[in-house]
Amino acid sequence: DAGVIQSPRHEVTEMGQEVTLRCKPISGHDYLFWYRQTMMRGLELLIYFNNNVPIDDSGMPEDRFSAKMPNASFSTLKIQPSEPRDSAVYFCASSEGLPRPFFGPGTRLTVL
Amino acid sequence: GENVGLHLPTLSVQEGDNSIINCAYSNSASDYFIWYKQESGKGPQFIIDIRSNMDKRQGQRVTVLLNKTVKHLSLQIAATQPGDSAVYFCAENLMNRDDKIIFGKGTRLHILP
Repeated sequence: DAGVIQSPRHEVTEMGQEVTLRCKPISGHDYLFWYRQTMMRGLELLIYFNNNVPIDDSGMPEDRFSAKMPNASFSTLKIQPSEPRDSAVYFCASSEGLPRPFFGPGTRLTVL
Repeated sequence: GENVGLHLPTLSVQEGDNSIINCAYSNSASDYFIWYKQESGKGPQFIIDIRSNMDKRQGQRVTVLLNKTVKHLSLQIAATQPGDSAVYFCAENLMNRDDKIIFGKGTRLHILP
């Protein structure tokens, strides 16, 4: 099993640009989570899906953030427009049934 | 890495000794707990979990203890090795009411040669 796959691994962009982060969960997993990690705030849950349906997006910081899961094998997290304070490592994680997320390698986002 | 320095407690342990990492969780209604290990540049990796109807669970070289009275969780690592160097997170969940996993701030484990 390849585990959770995220792309890109690193993204550097300029303020105001649109950023799209991608995730392929582990096959057969019905939960998908997006987390953000920073030095100051640690690991924060942004949003999670169950069977492709968004269940809780209360952690999404602003309307600039949006997430979709068009099918069981793909999800995106989009930031538009991006700001320097969005710089962080973004993790996608998935789980089957019991919420015990398995994490991907993360995308390190730098917004200049 | 993502968790360098500012507010992250650090535990330094001699190689070969046992490590005990502590965590105070926030919600008395939480009924499921997980320990994760995060090495530099990688995503968190599952170590061991425990449900609230237990107070102890053992894995390979690791033991998790749960004290619900004081909302305290600990991870014990036996015979600590250099490969155990990482940041360790506890996480909690309200299993029957909510699927969210909420993470604590983390503890850095540093192994002394």
